[in-house]
Amino acid sequence: DGGITQSPKYLFRKEGQNVTLSCEQNLNHDAMYWYRQDPGQGLRLIYYSQIVNDFQKGDIAEGYSVSREKKESFPLTVTSAQKNPTAFYLCASSGRAISSGELFFGEGSRLTVL
Amino acid sequence: AQSVAQPEDQVNVAEGNPLTVKCTYSVSGNPYLFWYVQYPNRGLQFLLKYITGDNLVKGSYGFEAEFNKSQTSFHLKKPSALVSDSALYFCAVRDIASNYQLIWGAGTKLIIKP
Repeated sequence: DGGITQSPKYLFRKEGQNVTLSCEQNLNHDAMYWYRQDPGQGLRLIYYSQIVNDFQKGDIAEGYSVSREKKESFPLTVTSAQKNPTAFYLCASSGRAISSGELFFGEGSRLTVL
Repeated sequence: AQSVAQPEDQVNVAEGNPLTVKCTYSVSGNPYLFWYVQYPNRGLQFLLKYITGDNLVKGSYGFEAEFNKSQTSFHLKKPSALVSDSALYFCAVRDIASNYQLIWGAGTKLIIKP
């Protein structure tokens, strides 16, 4: 079945550690996104990529990094520079022109900093 | 600046009754509007979108939304609520100024009581 796979679903991290969240899609979509979700705040865009080997910062990119070496994969690294990393992270993709706005989401990864 | 507002944090409806989840927006130009649904600890699922044409848009799971340009609203509706409709609902608008990224409302928790 086509879809987006995020892993791990739950992740615990000690302060000062970098962690990488995986996002893989087999939908043959060009564009991929990372969002952060906090209670009562909706979704905030961290990074997005419209094509392989290219990505742009979203609204809250500080403390995060990404790569897009393959069309199928868009991993997100939460670095120790991120002041408040505990959150639910969502990866999404879109296959039509970016202007269509219809996104397909993974099941999310919940990161907790201990 | 473009924005989306969901004025109700929570909406409670009895099963079988009609439901409305409210959304208002502020954009320059013609709006592209979207509704997504999120079940607990899951990713978001696309419900429906308005781009142009009929003001009443039909979507998944029996939901529909009414676009009202004069009131800058895009309320989500369903004639008869089901307990399984209980979830978090997000309204979003496409932002031309940010390379067509979506601006998200804060979400409305819909609770359907048996």
